[in-house]
Amino acid sequence: QQPVQSPQAVILREGEDAVINCSSSKALYSVHWYRQKHGEAPVFLMILLKGGEQKGHDKISASFNEKKQQSSLYLTASQLSYSGTYFCGTEPGDSWGKLQFGAGTQVVVTP
Amino acid sequence: ETGVTQTPRHLVMGMTNKKSLKCEQHLGHNAMYWYKQSAKKPLELMFVYNFKEQTENNSVPSRFSPECPNSSHLFLHLHTLQPEDSALYLCASSQATLGGHTGELFFGEGSRLTVL
Repeated sequence: QQPVQSPQAVILREGEDAVINCSSSKALYSVHWYRQKHGEAPVFLMILLKGGEQKGHDKISASFNEKKQQSSLYLTASQLSYSGTYFCGTEPGDSWGKLQFGAGTQVVVTP
Repeated sequence: ETGVTQTPRHLVMGMTNKKSLKCEQHLGHNAMYWYKQSAKKPLELMFVYNFKEQTENNSVPSRFSPECPNSSHLFLHLHTLQPEDSALYLCASSQATLGGHTGELFFGEGSRLTVL
């Protein structure tokens, strides 16, 4: 079952913040976040494994609410290099090797 | 350079052709994956090879046939494809946990397939 991401797209000015949400209908083992720039392969940002765990990657951080089966990605003080499509991937707790991705959130950061 | 190499980068084939996509990883990982990326659709997991055994096929049509001869190489054999199979096919590898859960995925650049 693929996770649901929102919003579909967001436009930011440099320095602004944004939040991308990811939710699943199944109990999760992990949540992954990736960013894909146009014409390039997706690049790993972070994995979250425990309920309520927050991780960071530069000024990009994420949280994982295990009970709600939800994760959020926080883009803080956005930079032009943050532009791209962000995908969350979820892996169910009752099976392994089945990382399914959401539809993606297109982020455009303007000067 | 992610350590995962895919060939060919572009492929055009007719519906009656047989072709193969190749993926090689130089990262010492124990799991490899095929994903399909179509326009305006989520990345779709097609096949997983974990510890060299196929563990997931997600009801992929039989016109797609994976092969994993060793932990560094992965193939996707294609035959009698349909135009709707045109997409970007991404290979990825990861170091799966002992329980088989997916670690950080390293993606190749992808093979862009066009079926005429």
